[in-house]
Amino acid sequence: ETGVTQSPTHLIKTRGQQVTLRCSSQSGHNTVSWYQQALGQGPQFIFQYYREEENGRGNFPPRFSGLQFPNYSSELNVNALELDDSALYLCASSHKQGSYEQYFGPGTRLTVT
Amino acid sequence: RKEVEQDPGPFNVPEGATVAFNCTYSNSASQSFFWYRQDCRKEPKLLMSVYSSGNEDGRFTAQLNRASQYISLLIRDSKLSDSATYLCVVREGSGAGSYQLTFGKGTKLSVIP
Repeated sequence: ETGVTQSPTHLIKTRGQQVTLRCSSQSGHNTVSWYQQALGQGPQFIFQYYREEENGRGNFPPRFSGLQFPNYSSELNVNALELDDSALYLCASSHKQGSYEQYFGPGTRLTVT
Repeated sequence: RKEVEQDPGPFNVPEGATVAFNCTYSNSASQSFFWYRQDCRKEPKLLMSVYSSGNEDGRFTAQLNRASQYISLLIRDSKLSDSATYLCVVREGSGAGSYQLTFGKGTKLSVIP
């Protein structure tokens, strides 16, 4: 096990609602990245947080936002949910900014109806 | 335009077979290269990093050709437990905010008894 935990494991929301997903990083890891994985696709980078600041962002609209807390845990917030937001959301932690060894949590499966 | 492209698959091979996966990437500035393994409905797990000199871990051998922007993974003596989706992954860039991982769509391997 990687020591990265995510909650909830599954979630069903309605179009237009807002959702918050949570991630606890592996002990000692100060960088958290979030990815979206649609069915049949590889994970797509959403953004990365290092020491509580956003440190890089993929091609996702502003309604995807995040936070990192002093204990390095993190949240992903998605506003105005759309049907296409249905996916597996993965968080990955790593030891330091730029470390390539990213360890993934089990993911949160979000279904938007 | 795909940034990381993999063999479409699926690959169905008998136990004991040797199977090779190929991957190409478009960004010549990419810094690091990996193969991740993802079991059905699970998170990706780092299988191995890929170095220019080539590297081997038991039955798995990875190769990188920077000039051709090509990465490969060879699995010898396939086991039933090797059945999974194999994701080719590239880490790009340098400087703050450039540590995202870019994933291919993955190639599904099924090892048949």
